[in-house]
Amino acid sequence: SQQGEEDPQALSIQEGENATMNCSYKTSINNLQWYRQNSGRGLVHLILIRSNEREKHSGRLRVTLDTSKKSSSLLITASRAADTASYFCATGGGNSGNTPLVFGKGTRLSVIA
Amino acid sequence: GAVVSQHPSRVICKSGTSVKIECRSLDFQATTMFWYRQFPKKSLMLMATSNEGSKATYEQGVEKDKFLINHASLTLSTLTVTSAHPEDSSFYICSARNPHTTGVRGGELFFGEGSRLTVL
Repeated sequence: SQQGEEDPQALSIQEGENATMNCSYKTSINNLQWYRQNSGRGLVHLILIRSNEREKHSGRLRVTLDTSKKSSSLLITASRAADTASYFCATGGGNSGNTPLVFGKGTRLSVIA
Repeated sequence: GAVVSQHPSRVICKSGTSVKIECRSLDFQATTMFWYRQFPKKSLMLMATSNEGSKATYEQGVEKDKFLINHASLTLSTLTVTSAHPEDSSFYICSARNPHTTGVRGGELFFGEGSRLTVL
């Protein structure tokens, strides 16, 4: 079953603009992760934010987490055409090896050069 | 470089045949691997958790006899789609977690590149 929803489902922006994607989830979490998927490829881990963190940065990525609202956002600043991909949030991952991730529906981002 | 390798990347088969997809962890031993299925422009749906040396755990609605999972070694899990039908056409992705990764990366999953199955 899917944990939650990403919003928007699709986003089209011009190169250089910022892209913001939101994710909502339903259950309590230990952490929330964001992944990127290029068309027809596997997923690549972008960033993990723990339940006791509110904001995290990695390069041009900024992730926020609001556990009271059960929501997270992913901001990509100064977007590039190469950022075109689908972005998924995922929950359910713990430090043990046998916990699967449950993915949201994803946001398809198109960055137009 | 890739830490999880998946093969084949694409396969086309006739209805009624069986197809095997392999998932290998390259840099670490994975006692647990996960198999996901993805339809076009949709999210990943967990199919099953593959456990080394024991039976896989299937998600509700996933047919065990249809999707056979074998995890015979600490670096290899296989998914066999038996008696394939056109509705089995999909993108199948495996993943694993490095048990030696701790701290902030401890929850990260590594994914294979996926296998696109087309059943004619």
